[in-house]
Amino acid sequence: AQSVTQLDSQVPVFEEAPVELRCNYSSSVSVYLFWYVQYPNQGLQLLLKYLSGSTLVKGINGFEAEFNKSQTSFHLRKPSVHISDTAEYFCAVSGLRGSNYKLTFGKGTLLTVNP
Amino acid sequence: EPEVTQTPSHQVTQMGQEVILRCVPISNHLYFYWYRQILGQKVEFLVSFYNNEISEKSEIFDDQFSVERPDGSNFTLKIRSTKLEDSAMYFCASRKDGGASGELFFGEGSRLTVL
Repeated sequence: AQSVTQLDSQVPVFEEAPVELRCNYSSSVSVYLFWYVQYPNQGLQLLLKYLSGSTLVKGINGFEAEFNKSQTSFHLRKPSVHISDTAEYFCAVSGLRGSNYKLTFGKGTLLTVNP
Repeated sequence: EPEVTQTPSHQVTQMGQEVILRCVPISNHLYFYWYRQILGQKVEFLVSFYNNEISEKSEIFDDQFSVERPDGSNFTLKIRSTKLEDSAMYFCASRKDGGASGELFFGEGSRLTVL
């Protein structure tokens, strides 16, 4: 079984500031890691994912995340945010095979970008 | 761009009533899922569906819940006798293949309010 902890429920930042949204996970098996974004009144959209290889993964809209196995973390970063990045961000994990394919989500972090 | 569509976007019902939430997955996808998010809580896995049968379900998915794919395009979630605690946002999702690395595409959600 897996679990995901997103340490911050809300993160307010000013436009053009850098941001980091934190995600830690626990799992007894190897995992894939995902970040999803939900804009107001929309569904969940995949931002980026880590499957294997380079621990730094780049996603859409200038976001990137770094997988740190020793710290069991997968923090999401963006060097300069825009007003349009205001949304809820969800970290998720899944096992690699079998019945573990389902996603386990964190509670989400509401990113609010202020002018 | 193909997308997962869900109806209704919002439904209000009385406790004890039956509710059917409808989803149209992306047309060439084979794996279907329902998740839900109670306000302020995590997005939780309910059930996965493949080849016209449930492949996995969570402990939340009790006898009050059922899913079916009646006509090859729709994927429905039925709650037989709603309870107050069923109030949540319900997300439908689909993916093309069963591998955990494949992207899961989500609909915009159906908000269920049970009074």
